[in-house]
Amino acid sequence: RKEVEQDPGPFNVPEGATVAFNCTYSNSASQSFFWYRQDCRKEPKLLMSVYSSGNEDGRFTAQLNRASQYISLLIRDSKLSDSATYLCVVNRGSSASKIIFGSGTRLSIRP
Amino acid sequence: GAVVSQHPSWVICKSGTSVKIECRSLDFQATTMFWYRQFPKQSLMLMATSNEGSKATYEQGVEKDKFLINHASLTLSTLTVTSAHPEDSSFYICSASLGYNYGYTFGSGTRLTVV
Repeated sequence: RKEVEQDPGPFNVPEGATVAFNCTYSNSASQSFFWYRQDCRKEPKLLMSVYSSGNEDGRFTAQLNRASQYISLLIRDSKLSDSATYLCVVNRGSSASKIIFGSGTRLSIRP
Repeated sequence: GAVVSQHPSWVICKSGTSVKIECRSLDFQATTMFWYRQFPKQSLMLMATSNEGSKATYEQGVEKDKFLINHASLTLSTLTVTSAHPEDSSFYICSASLGYNYGYTFGSGTRLTVV
């Protein structure tokens, strides 16, 4: 089993739609969680950290479920510019030093 | 915000030669940097953790003699791909963190093509 698993997609949704991704992690001792966005042939960029209480940043909402060991990302009112690969990132164990990437979920927003 | 500069952005080299990739933290000191490799349509895979002033820690399956890492200062880590072969062609990215829960900043990556 992979340490971090994501549905690879692709998710193809119309502009304005709401879309959600889930990500599961296997190490129950993981402490830090993030969502990154990666555009084609570019480096990943931090989209948002994920906090235990859930957090929102504009059209983006992240949730953490420790009991079921998954995190989610919700994108409302999707824009064409949201088309990218979204990477779930989890730190390995209780140490903050190593992070593991999920394989990413491809999102394509159509006009 | 934290900026990590990585050079070169792309490089084409002949099989058997060595290639050095630099990763610099521009506005902060990074005692630890990370090196990743990403093949097309695959996720980033952690290769090694670079520690300032000490030996790097390599992930299982990564040859330390082939991927030489040097972290001689608090702002510079280098990855040297020695005796490169076509199967080493990949996207190499470095990253560093400002601290716990601050996420990680990535260099712009180096696309290596070995011919």
